[in-house]
Amino acid sequence: DIQMTQSPSSLSASVGDRVTITCQASQDISNYLNWYQQKPGKAPKLLIYDASNLETGVPSRFSGSGSGTDFTFTISSLQPEDIATYYCQQYDNLPQTFGQGTKLEIK
Amino acid sequence: QVQLVQSGAEVKKPGASVKVSCKASGYTFTSYYMHWVRQAPGQGLEWMGIINPSGGSTSYAQKFQGRVTMTRDTSTSTVYMELSSLRSEDTAVYYCARNFGATVRFDIWGQGTMVTVSS
Repeated sequence: DIQMTQSPSSLSASVGDRVTITCQASQDISNYLNWYQQKPGKAPKLLIYDASNLETGVPSRFSGSGSGTDFTFTISSLQPEDIATYYCQQYDNLPQTFGQGTKLEIK
Repeated sequence: QVQLVQSGAEVKKPGASVKVSCKASGYTFTSYYMHWVRQAPGQGLEWMGIINPSGGSTSYAQKFQGRVTMTRDTSTSTVYMELSSLRSEDTAVYYCARNFGATVRFDIWGQGTMVTVSS
């Protein structure tokens, strides 16, 4: 199985900060990577697909980049409602696998 | 609106089976594959498998092969996930998630079903 390693595992930032999360795949996955946001007690929500495409209705402060093995997820200006856990997901090979998650908190 | 509504929480004893349902509405049921993903308490997301609601074909993660069965009922636009030989490690929230388009992206999720395995 392809291992997805996210960093950091937790992050504390202030409102208005630029926040960056990285995801590294154990092998080349091209751009077959998605990013999800999960708030406590809720189902995940798709934010970014195919590494860099913004899902319809998702605010433009969210963005993604990367290809191959190294990917980045960015929130350009952190808002209070962005407090959540974020997961990357690869779908180059079955089984699809997720990163362990990055828990984002407000400082 | 497009939504997936799952069945309610379950408590099962070790060795038993559980069957979780996921009813789709607001779109053409047979046009979108459906995935199942689970999340143990305080843990990350784990993909279990996928079903094609049109023909019923399935593909399961090797970890669950032999224990999981995914089926669908086109007359009620419902997919089912049955997990057998339950053990305590199967305690988790189970989600269905619709796959949008030709690429893999889970655009609509059910609300989740908590399955607790306890003696």
